[in-house]
Amino acid sequence: DAKTTQPTSMDCAEGRAANLPCNHSTISGNEYVYWYRQIHSQGPQYIIHGLKNNETNEMASLIITEDRKSSTLILPHATLRDTAVYYCIVRVRGGADGLTFGKGTHLIIQP
Amino acid sequence: DAGVIQSPRHEVTEMGQEVTLRCKPISGHDYLFWYRQTMMRGLELLIYFNNNVPIDDSGMPEDRFSAKMPNASFSTLKIQPSEPRDSAVYFCASSPYRAQRHEQYFGPGTRLTVT
Repeated sequence: DAKTTQPTSMDCAEGRAANLPCNHSTISGNEYVYWYRQIHSQGPQYIIHGLKNNETNEMASLIITEDRKSSTLILPHATLRDTAVYYCIVRVRGGADGLTFGKGTHLIIQP
Repeated sequence: DAGVIQSPRHEVTEMGQEVTLRCKPISGHDYLFWYRQTMMRGLELLIYFNNNVPIDDSGMPEDRFSAKMPNASFSTLKIQPSEPRDSAVYFCASSPYRAQRHEQYFGPGTRLTVT
């Protein structure tokens, strides 16, 4: 899987939008961008994924640049429960193998 | 849906003892994964199964580690003999294979402490 680069940590005020960036400059044409998060003492949780179009679900939005070399995960109205480590992962389309986790971004939502 | 179930949630054992971690995947999922998480190395894939068959065990650290999946609803990860450096949180995850989704669902983990 291609490597990703994320900031180590970020702060966001409760109720504001949290924008988490990810660089994946070596992404291949057949690789998707996946986002997972891990709340303290829990297993990782799938959030969203995309190929090249922007995606939205009940948890978040994913914005992928036109050249696909970077993306942004957006939590529109962050709550204290969104405090977690967020992992950006790129992997082959339809890939059935394991996930390669980097260090992720520790997002801290401030009251 | 109960989600992925792991047992025990916590395990404390002495060096040299055998440890068995258990996982029940979500019913109907074709894939099962074992991961290990430590502060130093983060989350690492150990092994994964497809339809109960081990596909890739290249992440298993040494011969002391073994994993089995005797049926679609049960898997074990065994460490024999255990060592202090095996202390970590072990996660099991399962996944359905749907051509363009394939998100993984993780269990709560087993925190293993080897003294």
